Amino acid sequence: GENVEQHPSTLSVQEGDSAVIKCTYSDSASNYFPWYKQELGKGPQLIIDIRSNVGEKKDQRIAVTLNKTAKHFSLHITETQPEDSAVYFCAASTSYGKLTFGQGTILTVHP
Amino acid sequence: NAGVTQTPKFQVLKTGQSMTLQCAQDMNHNSMYWYRQDPGMGLRLIYYSASEGTTDKGEVPNGYNVSRLNKREFSLRLESAAPSQTSVYFCASSEFLGTEAFFGQGTRLTVV
Repeated sequence: GENVEQHPSTLSVQEGDSAVIKCTYSDSASNYFPWYKQELGKGPQLIIDIRSNVGEKKDQRIAVTLNKTAKHFSLHITETQPEDSAVYFCAASTSYGKLTFGQGTILTVHP
Repeated sequence: NAGVTQTPKFQVLKTGQSMTLQCAQDMNHNSMYWYRQDPGMGLRLIYYSASEGTTDKGEVPNGYNVSRLNKREFSLRLESAAPSQTSVYFCASSEFLGTEAFFGQGTRLTVV
């Protein structure tokens, strides 16, 4: 089955800096790659996703890039703010498949 | 519009006790899921239901059973709780498999 590896496990940045989280996946048939943000005491919430027919997608300060050849995808957050502090999860699935999640990254943004 | 609602939010069980975690969604989604979240291990799929009337095992199904009661409700049962089942449990739903999943607030379960 699918295996998703996520790095780093913790990331600490200063407010205003950029943050990058990287994931690799094993199943070459995977074509859906969402990113979730989980705030303390809450369930994960989708922040951005990408399908395999595009290489990059942006939404304000958040962007995701996908390299299908290398089987990796990344989350980029620019101009980080304290409210970006949370746990971030990447995931992968095939069409009509189950999501497999990475291990999570604890992002801390220091004011 | 509540989204995905889980009950209870917190529960303490003694080893060997049984309990059922309840989940309901009001988004008319076809697919529903149960995950457990443990430190450093991300979200691991226990069971899922691709559509009403079907259920399938996920990555870590041992010690659990599920029931897709109707399109809205998907319950998770622990027949004989063990300390290894101490975790945070999340229910989720999506329109279909492979589409955006919406999560509930979680149930924090402790087995002593």
